[in-house]
Amino acid sequence: AIRMTQSPSSFSASTGDRVTITCRASQGISSYLAWYQQKPGKAPKLLIYAASTLQSGVPSRFSGSGSGTDFTLTISCLQSEDFATYYCQQYYSSLTFGGGTKVEIK
Amino acid sequence: QITLKESGPTLVKPTQTLTLTCTFSGFSLSTSGVGVGWIRQPPGKALEWLALIYWDDDKRYSPSLKSRLTITKDTSKNQVVLTMTNMDPVDTATYYCAHRTMIVVVDAFDIWGQGTMVTVSS
Repeated sequence: AIRMTQSPSSFSASTGDRVTITCRASQGISSYLAWYQQKPGKAPKLLIYAASTLQSGVPSRFSGSGSGTDFTLTISCLQSEDFATYYCQQYYSSLTFGGGTKVEIK
Repeated sequence: QITLKESGPTLVKPTQTLTLTCTFSGFSLSTSGVGVGWIRQPPGKALEWLALIYWDDDKRYSPSLKSRLTITKDTSKNQVVLTMTNMDPVDTATYYCAHRTMIVVVDAFDIWGQGTMVTVSS
């Protein structure tokens, strides 16, 4: 089974910061990767699919990149509503989620 | 507008079988490309994908849980049912059903239900 490892598991940031979250696959997954945002007590929200394609309605400050085994989610200018936990998910072979990255307020 | 809602017991005993129903609206599971999946999340932990059923009745399961899971659909009722056998306290989690995006070759979930919390305890 493909394992997805996210780093860091959590970190603190300030509004306006540029933040980057990393997701690494245990084997190559081409660009078969999605990113989700989850706020406490809520269901996840799809942000990005195919590694870099923004889901409809998602602000352009979110971007994704990478292919193969290494991927990143970048938030160009962190807003207050972006403090949440982010998950990557591969769909190259079966489906697997990463362990999550919690973005907290500094 | 697509909506999904999970229903089922909030409490099950160890060794029992869990049956969860996802009732949806705004799409048909007989339409090419459509799929509905189940994902769970133990308290304070990460998401875990469980199963996915497609419009053509193709079914996919998490390899680690495959022996315990069954996913079925009732197109006429707009429902997807997940059964999980031999429940254990470690299966305590919020269980979500979700709509698979219609984008070709993308097995990601664009619309989610609100989730239902299931506790496994004697």
